[in-house]
Amino acid sequence: DAGVTQSPTHLIKTRGQQVTLRCSPKSGHDTVSWYQQALGQGPQFIFQYYEEEERQRGNFPDRFSGHQFPNYSSELNVNALLLGDSALYLCASSLVASGSYTDTQYFGPGTRLTVL
Amino acid sequence: QKEVEQDPGPLSVPEGAIVSLNCTYSNSAFQYFMWYRQYSRKGPELLMYTYSSGNKEDGRFTAQVDKSSKYISLFIRDSQPSDSATYLCAMSEGAGNMLTFGGGTRLMVKP
Repeated sequence: DAGVTQSPTHLIKTRGQQVTLRCSPKSGHDTVSWYQQALGQGPQFIFQYYEEEERQRGNFPDRFSGHQFPNYSSELNVNALLLGDSALYLCASSLVASGSYTDTQYFGPGTRLTVL
Repeated sequence: QKEVEQDPGPLSVPEGAIVSLNCTYSNSAFQYFMWYRQYSRKGPELLMYTYSSGNKEDGRFTAQVDKSSKYISLFIRDSQPSDSATYLCAMSEGAGNMLTFGGGTRLMVKP
């Protein structure tokens, strides 16, 4: 049973550039959430995608955008990169449609983004 | 004030000790409570998942939720050096909804 996968593992960009991160959810899951984790802090929710639409959004600027594909995989795009965008970007998947309280979010290994 | 507060540690204990990790929160709408373990430069790994108040046990791990006090705990019995990691508490208002995390507690178990 494949877990959540993310690519790439590491990425180095310069200020002002744009970046795209990718995520494939755990087998059987239909919902993808993205989180940003700065060094030494807990993850912060960016947004969640379900049925190819943004379902919830955290307190992040419009420079952060996303997309979900029909196969449930997802992309996170960040435009006009700032030094402060350097962080571990985590993707988590879950199954919302089941309605069961046992469903929660499972995380991938993350993509470490460094902005110079 | 943060919505979820967690002592950052580090917490250092000898091997075999009982470890107690705690979080407090302010949002009374939280219904789902989770503990994740995160090794350095890795993604969080789900340890325990609890709905509403009560206790849940899984092997050496016990999770407790006290909604009246807005306080959750994770106990680790017979701690091992391999338990050395950062422990994150997380909460949500609904199943599958956005998670709000504490800042994490770094645990070190010394042989």
